[in-house]
Parts: sequence; C-alpha cells; structure tokens
Amino acid sequence: QLQLQESGPGLVKPSETLSLTCTVSGGSISSSSYYWGWIRQPPGKGLEWIGSIYYSGSTYYNPSLKSRVTISVDTSKNQFSLKLSSVTAADTAVYYCARLTTVINYWGQGTLVTVSS
Amino acid sequence: QSALTQPASVSGSPGQSITISCTGTSSDVGGYNYVSWYQQHPGKAPKLMIYDVSNRPSGVSNRFSGSKSGNTASLTISGLQAEDEADYYCSSYTSSSTLEHWVFGGGTKLTVL
Repeated sequence: QLQLQESGPGLVKPSETLSLTCTVSGGSISSSSYYWGWIRQPPGKGLEWIGSIYYSGSTYYNPSLKSRVTISVDTSKNQFSLKLSSVTAADTAVYYCARLTTVINYWGQGTLVTVSS
Repeated sequence: QSALTQPASVSGSPGQSITISCTGTSSDVGGYNYVSWYQQHPGKAPKLMIYDVSNRPSGVSNRFSGSKSGNTASLTISGLQAEDEADYYCSSYTSSSTLEHWVFGGGTKLTVL
C-alpha cells in the first residue's frame, strides 16, 4: 500500500522560505505515468493545487504561485520536496503531498505550516 | 486558472438524496472527463469518492454517484447517512501543450439533519 508522509518545520517566519519533504513508501517515486505534487488548505478554507512534478522531472505549477514555488525529486531517497519563497501569513495552511494522475488517489496526512514571526 | 464553483452548503435528512453541483468552463470540466470528487472529514485528508466523472474506487459505497452535463458536474449521494456529513470537493484535471494542472472547487459542506 502506497503511503506518503510530509515532514518539515511547522513554523516559518514571514519573508522566509517554506520547505517541506514528502517521503514515499510502498512504491517507487520513479514509477512511470505518475505525478507527485503538493496541495494546500488554509484553515477553514478549500483546497488549492500548488504544483506537481512528473516522474520524468517535468514540473507544473499553479500560475498564481509559480514565481515562488519549486518542486524537486530525490529518487535515491524516494522523496520529493516543496520550496515556497517569500511567505506571508496567507501561506499558513495544511500542506498535503499526493500522488496524482488525472485523479488524486493517494494523499499524505497533511502538515500544518504557520507563517508568523 | 479559476476555482470551480460549488454551493457552500447543502443539507438533507437521513435516507434522502442530495446533489452537489460543480461548475467550471469548457477548458476544464466541460472539456475533459477528468472530474473527481473528494470527501473530507474534519482534521482528515481528503478521500477520493468519484473519479473520471462517474467511476467509484473500490470500497466506496454505491450510494455515491457522479455525472456531468456540459460545464457542470454533479455528485449525488442517495440514502443519506450520518457518516456522510463532511465537506465535499470537486476537482478537474486539465492539460494543454504547455501545462498540466488540477483545479478544485471551493467545497460544499454537507449537513445531515
């Protein structure tokens, strides 16, 4: 059974860079035909797709966040990562990592990241 | 890339049926049969309930069904049960020559009266 687990700081200061890692177990991140991505949910609000990386390394980002987002993959560790720069309080959210195709069928449990000084 | 439009809330009594709509455009919902629906209970990760407009993953009750007409997709839950009370999100995958992306609806809170 595929499992995904987010890790990273739960508190980030304004203007700094948010960094999260997703560790995949029960399957290879190098498997063809899958995207690996990040989705976030501000407290009490809806879901927002942040971006995805294809197994080949191609990346796709939400246009509204594109200038601040970088997603990368470390196949040796079976992990992928998110970096979001110049964060503000509006970036406070639960961040989920996920495996995507045309559907999102595997989700991590989510990790709350708070942006505050 | 605009969010898909869902009603903020719907409600129904146990045993009744409810339908949640999800309206997009010809560039997302109307252009592809890649609409999916997710159920989210408080403090939990979303759970896939319907994919590719009308398909149910293994283990999801047949009380959940999906459909699409034009730019609007719908999720119907029949025989409402207390455990169905949750937030529901629709999503559409879209693809172009330069961009693959996923867009979500704003979410609908289902209350079982």
